[in-house]
Amino acid sequence: DTGVSQNPRHKITKRGQNVTFRCDPISEHNRLYWYRQTLGQGPEFLTYFQNEAQLEKSRLLSDRFSAERPKGSFSTLEIQRTEQGDSAMYLCASSLAPGRNEDQYFGPGTRLLVL
Amino acid sequence: KQEVTQIPAALSVPEGENLVLNCSFTDSAIYNLQWFRQDPGKGLTSLLLIQSSQREQTSGRLNASLDKSSGRSTLYIAASQPGDSATYLCAVRYRGEDKLIFGTGTRLQVFP
Repeated sequence: DTGVSQNPRHKITKRGQNVTFRCDPISEHNRLYWYRQTLGQGPEFLTYFQNEAQLEKSRLLSDRFSAERPKGSFSTLEIQRTEQGDSAMYLCASSLAPGRNEDQYFGPGTRLLVL
Repeated sequence: KQEVTQIPAALSVPEGENLVLNCSFTDSAIYNLQWFRQDPGKGLTSLLLIQSSQREQTSGRLNASLDKSSGRSTLYIAASQPGDSATYLCAVRYRGEDKLIFGTGTRLQVFP
């Protein structure tokens, strides 16, 4: 399968714990995006990378959140000291750079539940 | 503020009906607009992408139109089937931006 993959698919954690999610984009895509989706809402943008550079971060990305894409391939999203309000689906998407096919292709998401 | 609104929030129709889902956006300076489908608990599947220079795109039984001047897009689904049941999300990318701004979606149920 050459689509976007995310791991784990589900994560249950206790409040205060740290969690890390991984996203593997489509191999030739140099842009990678993170979104968060809460129940009944559309996804909200968190941050995105072009290659290894993090180009934009949303106000939603508090200092407990950090994202990396060290080699311009896979990305990780870490949440420190999780809170119940962090419970959501975390979606990753990838695309080619502007000027080419710019569809964002989404992964299956990681569903986080903070108890 | 750049907002995307979708109506209706939910729709239940019998199989075979043609239906229209609506998306409106507050800023006409869009770069492109994408329609996605999301099955319960799953990720998003791209259905159609319309560039700002285009007025419509078609794929099978789906047709999406774009009217920048009125800030609206519609997704037309012909001859609906139970397998079309899902949440349909509209997302706008504005000029000078790289992120997508999503509406809250329309939850569609097609019953046999």
